[in-house]
Amino acid sequence: EAQVTQNPRYLITVTGKKLTVTCSQNMNHEYMSWYRQDPGLGLRQIYYSMNVEVTDKGDVPEGYKVSRKEKRNFPLILESPSPNQTSLYFCASSFTTGGETEAFFGQGTRLTVV
Amino acid sequence: SQQGEEDPQALSIQEGENATMNCSYKTSINNLQWYRQNSGRGLVHLILIRSNEREKHSGRLRVTLDTSKKSSSLLITASRAADTASYFCAPRPSGYALNFGKGTSLLVTP
Repeated sequence: EAQVTQNPRYLITVTGKKLTVTCSQNMNHEYMSWYRQDPGLGLRQIYYSMNVEVTDKGDVPEGYKVSRKEKRNFPLILESPSPNQTSLYFCASSFTTGGETEAFFGQGTRLTVV
Repeated sequence: SQQGEEDPQALSIQEGENATMNCSYKTSINNLQWYRQNSGRGLVHLILIRSNEREKHSGRLRVTLDTSKKSSSLLITASRAADTASYFCAPRPSGYALNFGKGTSLLVTP
């Protein structure tokens, strides 16, 4: 089954404790991205990757890092989480060919930083 | 970044009625996509309409696109309780970024 898998689904952590949210897709997609969703602000893109070893900032990259060492994986790293990073996070992937492709989303990771 | 702005922010209707939501955007696009999000879950792609298309259908969904007005609408006919969700448009310029607005929250009551 074609899917984007995020882990964990829920996470409560303390300020400053490094964490990684994993994202994996099994569709051989080149393009992957991370979003955060906050009430009243909608979905905002954090980082994206066009292919292996190619990443770039989205609209709200501060406080986040990503890496793309393999095509299927695109982890989101919070080196020193802060309470304002409490949010619902989504990973998404799509083919890049032609730009006319739908995005597939993971089920989300609800992160709480206390 | 190119974002869509959905209108209205919230919509409440009864089962069997039609639901219409609108999307406006600012720059030229390659295509425009609509997604649905059930509460707290990942977005699911509904339909894609290209810039040279004016209307597209998929089951009970009808999407229109007016590039001269930079707007699109999504019509859900004969709504069901299961259609209760948030709906997002994503105008896509050349390139691959998908930027979403705040969405329209649809409530369909029995």
